Amino acid sequence: GAGVSQSPSNKVTEKGKDVELRCDPISGHTALYWYRQSLGQGLEFLIYFQGNSAPDKSGLPSDRFSAERTGGSVSTLTIQRTQQEDSAVYLCASSKRRDSTNEQFFGPGTRLTVL
Amino acid sequence: EDQVTQSPEALRLQEGESSSLNCSYTVSGLRGLFWYRQDPGKGPEFLFTLYSAGEEKEKERLKATLTKKESFLHITAPKPEDSATYLCAVLIPGAQKLVFGQGTRLTINP
Repeated sequence: GAGVSQSPSNKVTEKGKDVELRCDPISGHTALYWYRQSLGQGLEFLIYFQGNSAPDKSGLPSDRFSAERTGGSVSTLTIQRTQQEDSAVYLCASSKRRDSTNEQFFGPGTRLTVL
Repeated sequence: EDQVTQSPEALRLQEGESSSLNCSYTVSGLRGLFWYRQDPGKGPEFLFTLYSAGEEKEKERLKATLTKKESFLHITAPKPEDSATYLCAVLIPGAQKLVFGQGTRLTINP
């Protein structure tokens, strides 16, 4: 079956520009997560959605980062006024339901490069 | 502070040479420990979830075990296609987020 998909797969932007990253979760998965993986760093949690609400935004590194989810499905992560330190792979994951013991399945990621 | 530490950072083995990867954690009230495999340029691929000390799970040449302080990923008679980075993560109590270790980069030479 279809897994988590993300677009674009690669994004190169100039410092100061805004970018939008998209995530399509597995159909029927109500929970959605964004993580970031930087060179030499582990995966860092950014934000968690249950349905369309985000009860945990604790990992967003600054107010330049925001995310939304519509229709309990697609999510968009927006980074405003990008900085070079935002360069990383942004990974999206989804899981079946609120029950936290459910496994999180990851998409292929979007590699963001800020010049 | 909740922490996950994986060792070694990198491991090179010959094909057929069995070994183990370690994941130690400091989390109160563990709600799940997860193992993922990540190939270059791809997202993590789910392997196992372990919930309680003494639990074991197997998949092909891989077996994951869990104690109260650490988990091991045993790889038996590995093949070159087992080369990847193996990530360990724990689910934080009271939250939905996974906290990941830095990973072990495993290389199997033919």
